[in-house]
Order: sequence, then structure tokens, then C-alpha cells
Amino acid sequence: DAMVIQNPRYQVTQFGKPVTLSCSQTLNHNVMYWYQQKSSQAPKLLFHYYDKDFNNEADTPDNFQSRRPNTSFCFLDIRSPGLGDAAMYLCATSTRLTGREQYFGPGTRLTVT
Amino acid sequence: GDSVTQMEGPVTLSEEAFLTINCTYTATGYPSLFWYVQYPGEGLQLLLKATKADDKGSNKGFEATYRKETTSFHLEKGSVQVSDSAVYFCALRGTQGGSEKLVFGKGTKLTVNP
Repeated sequence: DAMVIQNPRYQVTQFGKPVTLSCSQTLNHNVMYWYQQKSSQAPKLLFHYYDKDFNNEADTPDNFQSRRPNTSFCFLDIRSPGLGDAAMYLCATSTRLTGREQYFGPGTRLTVT
Repeated sequence: GDSVTQMEGPVTLSEEAFLTINCTYTATGYPSLFWYVQYPGEGLQLLLKATKADDKGSNKGFEATYRKETTSFHLEKGSVQVSDSAVYFCALRGTQGGSEKLVFGKGTKLTVNP
């Protein structure tokens, strides 16, 4: 089945130690998104790619970076994780066609110690 | 800008009870509307969607009708099960600039007791 895959499902990192989360998709969608979701909250969009065109949200901290080397893969880099960055990170994909839904991966739960 | 206002929970029901979760929106033009469900520790799954006025989305016994006149997209189910316990998010995708994005409501946590 076509899907969105996130690895790892659980990630523990130390305060200030860089960490990379990965996302891959078999849907061949041209838009990929990264969300941060904290407990009991809605997902918060960090940034998205339309093909290789990067779109950052105005309130996304500089500590968060992203790379999309090809259509299938997208990475989230947290350069210096703080305790406040502990959250679920969700990757999603979609097309630019009007009305199309986003397809979400299972998420990566990040713990910062 | 576009926004979604969703009934805040938590909502606790007994099995086989009727469920309604209210959702209203503010948007220009004719957005597409979605309900997503999130089970504990998992990502969001699309539950149903509607892309134009008077469309009814339905899936797994859940229904929602796109009401342009009341700018609403309320989620309903006639008889809930314990397995429906989850968090439900109403969302819209606009038609203006930045339309690749979803605008989410705050989510409603549903607990169904046996």
C-alpha cells in the first residue's frame, strides 16, 4: 500500500545534541509537510515543501531546519534541541490539487533529556 | 485568515450513544472540509471529507454535511463504540494563497465507555 513512513517512531536525544527525523513516502506527492504536535494540542505546521520549494512558517524557530533531497524523502533537523522541543513530530504529504487531503505518517515521538 | 472553531471536550459517552461534535469555520470562497481522527500514539487518519456545499462525507458510520449557509461541518455518529475513543480534528483547506495548508480546530477528545 502507498504510505507515509517515519523513522524512528521513538527518538531520545540529549539537550543540545542535534537530531534528525526522517520521512519517506510512496505516494509520489509533490507537497510534504512537517508538523509539531504537543500533548492535547492540534498539530502545528513548521514548514512545507512544494517540490523543492521550501516554505517556512513565520513562527518556526531557526533551530528547526529541513531538507528534501528528492520527491520521496524529507528530513527534519533540530540543531540544538531544548526541553521544550519534546513533542510528536508528524510528516504529511499531499498534492497541490484543490480539495485534496493530507496523508499523515505515524509520527516520531521525541524525548529530550 | 481562515479559521476553524471546534467543540472542545472532553466528551464522554456510553457505548451506543449518539455523537455530535460541532465544527464551524471562517474562510473566503469554498474551502474543502475534513475530519481527521487520531488514536493514542499515532498519526492523523482522514475520517471523511467534503469539497463543496451540501456534500456529505461518510465513513465507518460517521457523517458530516458541508453547510455553506451556517459555515458548519458537524460530525455525527448514530451509535458509538469503545473503539471510537480517540481525538477528532476538524480541518479546512482553503482556496486562497497558501492553500497547500490545513487549518485545524483544537481537537475534541472522545471517550466511549462500555
